[in-house]
Amino acid sequence: DSGVTQTPKHLITATGQRVTLRCSPRSGDLSVYWYQQSLDQGLQFLIHYYNGEERAKGNILERFSAQQFPDLHSELNLSSLELGDSALYFCASSSTRGVTEAFFGQGTRLTVV
Amino acid sequence: AQKITQTQPGMFVQEKEAVTLDCTYDTSDPSYGLFWYKQPSSGEMIFLIYQGSYDQQNATEGRYSLNFQKARKSANLVISASQLGDSAMYFCAMREGPQGGSEKLVFGKGTKLTVNP
Repeated sequence: DSGVTQTPKHLITATGQRVTLRCSPRSGDLSVYWYQQSLDQGLQFLIHYYNGEERAKGNILERFSAQQFPDLHSELNLSSLELGDSALYFCASSSTRGVTEAFFGQGTRLTVV
Repeated sequence: AQKITQTQPGMFVQEKEAVTLDCTYDTSDPSYGLFWYKQPSSGEMIFLIYQGSYDQQNATEGRYSLNFQKARKSANLVISASQLGDSAMYFCAMREGPQGGSEKLVFGKGTKLTVNP
C-alpha cells in the first residue's frame, strides 16, 4: 500500500459528461501529481500541485482542470468527455519539492461509452 | 525525440535467474533523476528504485539494482533471483532538472517481463 488513495477505482460514464477524480496524498506529502495512462499515449504527465499551488502543467486538455485543497487532497475534473478520454488516471505524491520518489495511487479507470 | 527509450517490449526469464531490463535516456540537463516502476496486471504503479545523476554509486534496493552508465546514458534495471511475482510491466522514467525544479516524470513505453517457472 503506497499510502496514496484514489477514488473511485472505476468509473463508467457517457460522452459529454463531467466527472471528478479524487486523490488523497500520503500523510505529510505536499506534492500531488496527476498522470494519464492510455494504450496509445502511454503514461503522460498532466499537472503538478505543491501545497495548493499549481507548479507544472503537462499535456492536460483545456477540458480538464485540477486543484489541490487546503487539506492537500486533490481533484481532477474532466468535462465534455470523449471516448478517447478513456484511460487509467493516476495520482502520485511526494514529500520533497523535487521528485526523488513518487508514490502512486491505485488509479481510477475511466471508461467513456 | 524520445526522452526515455525501452527497447524490449517483452522479456522472458526463468524463475531464480537474473534479468536486465534496458533503459536509455536523452537529456542535456546535468541534473536529473532516473526511476523504475513496476505495474502488475492489477494496475497499480509500484516505485522500485531511484538514481540521481550525481550519485556516485549505483542504487540498490533488495533484489533490484540500477546499472547506471552516465556516459552511455543508460539506466538498466537488474532483477536478481527472479520470482513469479515479478511478472509485470516495468517502466523507466526520468525527472529532468534538479530537485525543486521540473517536477514531472517522463516515462518510457515499458517492458513486459514474464517469469517462467
